[in-house]
Amino acid sequence: AQKITQTQPGMFVQEKEAVTLDCTYDTSDQSYGLFWYKQPSSGEMIFLIYQGSYDEQNATEGRYSLNFQKARKSANLVISASQLGDSAMYFCAMRDGTGNQFYFGTGTSLTVIP
Amino acid sequence: ETGVTQTPRHLVMGMTNKKSLKCEQHLGHNAMYWYKQSAKKPLELMFVYNFKEQTENNSVPSRFSPECPNSSHLFLHLHTLQPEDSALYLCASSQASLRTQETQYFGPGTRLLVL
Repeated sequence: AQKITQTQPGMFVQEKEAVTLDCTYDTSDQSYGLFWYKQPSSGEMIFLIYQGSYDEQNATEGRYSLNFQKARKSANLVISASQLGDSAMYFCAMRDGTGNQFYFGTGTSLTVIP
Repeated sequence: ETGVTQTPRHLVMGMTNKKSLKCEQHLGHNAMYWYKQSAKKPLELMFVYNFKEQTENNSVPSRFSPECPNSSHLFLHLHTLQPEDSALYLCASSQASLRTQETQYFGPGTRLLVL
């Protein structure tokens, strides 16, 4: 069963606007971690932001924030003030309670329009 | 060098060849991972090593053989591959921990084409 679901294969956003990338997850663990990664065309996966299952506040890292809704099992990424360099694939991921298994979604391709 | 490095960056091999992918991390981590990334599919975790010991093997065919001689190096030995094995192979490292906030740091990947 798929653990991470990203329903938006592709998204477009105007430069300087905000954009939300959706992610839902499935787990019965009480303790887990949620991550977002960016993958430019060069291929390297770049860590963006982390949210722990016990964290009560939404994580923020610069222009990135994670909208964590635990009851809905969603962990959407919000990018504010989009820049042309934000154009890339974005992956949502979950680390399970054992700490050994990581599950990734299929990704969302974001294109920032000048 | 810093971070996680992978060599080669590109590899073309025939189905009867034997080749190896190499990964090296300079972050002082003690867990290393191999992933396979195919088009239109989620990233697939293949193998996990914690403190040089293999802790996960996610039903990977035996034509893929990992080796972890120390906490800084990870190899993926390839033999008699199939065309469907063509993909981007990513290596990652992290601190081995039960704490779920330990994130992974990825290398640039090896793009493999099997003819």
